[in-house]
Amino acid sequence: DAKTTQPNSMESNEEEPVHLPCNHSTISGTDYIHWYRQLPSQGPEYVIHGLTSNVNNRMASLAIAEDRKSSTLILHRATLRDAAVYYCILLPIYNQGGKLIFGQGTELSVKP
Amino acid sequence: EPEVTQTPSHQVTQMGQEVILRCVPISNHLYFYWYRQILGQKVEFLVSFYNNEISEKSEIFDDQFSVERPDGSNFTLKIRSTKLEDSAMYFCASSEMYTTSGNTIYFGEGSWLTVV
Repeated sequence: DAKTTQPNSMESNEEEPVHLPCNHSTISGTDYIHWYRQLPSQGPEYVIHGLTSNVNNRMASLAIAEDRKSSTLILHRATLRDAAVYYCILLPIYNQGGKLIFGQGTELSVKP
Repeated sequence: EPEVTQTPSHQVTQMGQEVILRCVPISNHLYFYWYRQILGQKVEFLVSFYNNEISEKSEIFDDQFSVERPDGSNFTLKIRSTKLEDSAMYFCASSEMYTTSGNTIYFGEGSWLTVV
């Protein structure tokens, strides 16, 4: 399974943008980049995913480097509710059965 | 919004006892999963289930564990003889089809199991 590397923790101020980086230098051409997050005492929650192009949804944006060896999850305006552990996970396109491999993730704290 | 529901939210059991954790996946989903998270550690994959059989299982999912879809709505995880190290949060999840480009996995809130 391809590995990802994320900072252990990051801090942000409320209502400011947050850029959460992820390195995946061994990514293969058929790996999708998925982001999940886990709020305190809750189950993991899907955030966004992409392959090559940048992606936007109501929760966040995903910026993918041209060589695909890194990506950045962007929260445009952090709220207190965004305090969570964010996981960057590579998922092969033909991965049947949904075997997500969670790393340690990045623990994001948001200050009021 | 549809959600995965799990019961019980918390269960305390004595070592050696059998435990059944229950889950109701999202109704039109075809793939079902169990993950667990020991306190302070990573979320770990246990097993995936599709078309009434196990698709894949991890090394953690040994003979003490079993899964079942007893009817059209429930999905259960049974631990036959619990050990202290089985104490963890157990997450049920489901997805509509393969986890390829268009699909995501939806997780429940978890069942916290404490073995004493």
